[in-house]
Amino acid sequence: GAVVSQHPSRVICKSGTSVKIECRSLDFQATTMFWYRQFPKQSLMLMATSNEGSKATYEQGVEKDKFLINHASLTLSTLTVTSAHPEDSSFYICSAIRTGRYTGELFFGEGSRLTVL
Amino acid sequence: DAKTTQPPSMDCAEGRAANLPCNHSTISGNEYVYWYRQIHSQGPQYIIHGLKNNETNEMASLIITEDRKSSTLILPHATLRDTAVYYCIVRVVSGGSNYKLTFGKGTLLTVNP
Repeated sequence: GAVVSQHPSRVICKSGTSVKIECRSLDFQATTMFWYRQFPKQSLMLMATSNEGSKATYEQGVEKDKFLINHASLTLSTLTVTSAHPEDSSFYICSAIRTGRYTGELFFGEGSRLTVL
Repeated sequence: DAKTTQPPSMDCAEGRAANLPCNHSTISGNEYVYWYRQIHSQGPQYIIHGLKNNETNEMASLIITEDRKSSTLILPHATLRDTAVYYCIVRVVSGGSNYKLTFGKGTLLTVNP
């Protein structure tokens, strides 16, 4: 079963509104989570690294004021797309590190498809 | 992360073995080879990883050449549900942000009935 869950799986919003996407690690604690974005027929592009209790680290070219990341607990990271526009429509995917038996293994969420009208 | 090269697409007959190649000629000594796959409109799924030795789990086998410059993912009995984009990634296994993965374009494996 899924060990990383995202919500919502699909969201449609109007241009100019903000949308929050949640990423939860279901049965383990994740001090670090990652957020990716994927446009149609393209590969995943890393947006940012989310660290519990500290500021996120953004990849070059990703606007930190537009894509707000909060990692307030060891099982939850949120991505808020502020003032969304049609070009922000994409598939957003989070991942979390699970250590122990699965040392070095990243688990991914199911993804959240955002459509901005 | 070292760059990898994969064929853009491959076909395989259902029930046959699917052998997906990956070239990683610039891999460093402390970098592992990871394989993930992504079924359409889903998040990536971990398959297997290895450093030097061949690895096998319930999903697949990973064959790494002795010079570690290439590897092959083997799905022994492909099913229609194995149709997906397969990503080969090399990376150092350590803490914090070094866990982040850089995805290439992967190989679209189509399993045909």
